[in-house]
Amino acid sequence: SQQGEEDPQALSIQEGENATMNCSYKTSINNLQWYRQNSGRGLVHLILIRSNEREKHSGRLRVTLDTSKKSSSLLITASRAADTASYFCATDAWGATNKLIFGTGTLLAVQP
Amino acid sequence: GAVVSQHPSWVICKSGTSVKIECRSLDFQATTMFWYRQFPKQSLMLMATSNEGSKATYEQGVEKDKFLINHASLTLSTLTVTSAHPEDSSFYICSAAGRRTSDETQYFGPGTRLLVL
Repeated sequence: SQQGEEDPQALSIQEGENATMNCSYKTSINNLQWYRQNSGRGLVHLILIRSNEREKHSGRLRVTLDTSKKSSSLLITASRAADTASYFCATDAWGATNKLIFGTGTLLAVQP
Repeated sequence: GAVVSQHPSWVICKSGTSVKIECRSLDFQATTMFWYRQFPKQSLMLMATSNEGSKATYEQGVEKDKFLINHASLTLSTLTVTSAHPEDSSFYICSAAGRRTSDETQYFGPGTRLLVL
């Protein structure tokens, strides 16, 4: 399967805590992106990190990328109940412009 | 900016009928549109990639005669599920990538939930 894997599959934390999700993939990539999906809704783009970047920040989000290990992590700091959603990583495979392969997703529940 | 809409947002149909789902990029020209399928509590699986004015490229295992894709303009792509059956019930999501400088992001529509009875 080309699909990447994410862990944990589900994560439950208290409001104010940090949440870390990990993503592993299998092929060489141009970039890796993280998306958020609220239940039964479409996807919202969170952040894109290119293969030559190691870390990127956007607000409360911090993404790291380790191409040698073919892995990425998404850190959400100071979580809020509104952060409750599923989070997916997606890789843009090298040589396949714009074609995204999604990971299995992490369901994050932030308890108020 | 970069808004993608889908219509309808949900549809219930009888087995054997065909259903058309529209995907529109509202404020940019989408040179490429993608169609995904998502089963409950699972990830998105790419079904096909469509470029404006050309035939869609289907992923392995996706029946092109079952899922007809038309990308007639830079702002509209349609997915038609022909002779739908209960196993076609799913959440269908489109995304669009357009002509934006240094923008490799795909923008996703809100999805269409299909229930085939």
